[in-house]
Amino acid sequence: AQKITQTQPGMFVQEKEAVTLDCTYDTSDPSYGLFWYKQPSSGEMIFLIYQGSYDQQNATEGRYSLNFQKARKSANLVISASQLGDSAMYFCAMRDPSGGSNYKLTFGKGTLLTVNP
Amino acid sequence: DAGITQSPRYKITETGRQVTLMCHQTWSHSYMFWYRQDLGHGLRLIYYSAAADITDKGEVPDGYVVSRSKTENFPLTLESATRSQTSVYFCASSESSYSNQPQHFGDGTRLSIL
Repeated sequence: AQKITQTQPGMFVQEKEAVTLDCTYDTSDPSYGLFWYKQPSSGEMIFLIYQGSYDQQNATEGRYSLNFQKARKSANLVISASQLGDSAMYFCAMRDPSGGSNYKLTFGKGTLLTVNP
Repeated sequence: DAGITQSPRYKITETGRQVTLMCHQTWSHSYMFWYRQDLGHGLRLIYYSAAADITDKGEVPDGYVVSRSKTENFPLTLESATRSQTSVYFCASSESSYSNQPQHFGDGTRLSIL
């Protein structure tokens, strides 16, 4: 069973607008962490934001925020005021003990975001 | 600068050859990981290490060997390269195994096997 699902293979957004990238997850463990990474065309993986399963508030990091709905098992990334440099592949990932490999990251397949001028 | 460094960035080799991908981190992180990234599969864990001299298999370990004699280094060896091992390889590290710790990635090695 897929543990991390990103249903949007590609998304387009106009510069300066906000965009939401969807992520749903599946785990039976009460303690887990959710992460978003950005992979620009240059290829590196950049950590953006983290949300813990016990966190009461949604995580925010600058223009990035996480819309965490625990009951729905969703952790959507919201990018406000999109910039051309936000064009990249975005990966949702989860780290949980049930992963078996000592808290390895399980990744979704990614969403390719294109910001139009 | 402190961080995680992979070398080489690009490598072309032939089937049957042995090739080693290097990974070096300066944070003294206990945990290190090797992933491969393939179109349609996302990132998949090959091997990981919880500390020096402690390694374990991930999802797709066949055809790969790792070692970790020093905390800062975690080389990945393809003993006899096959075309199916053509991929982008990422090394990552994290401070601990707690679920709130992000993994920090190197820039990747793009490996082509002809």
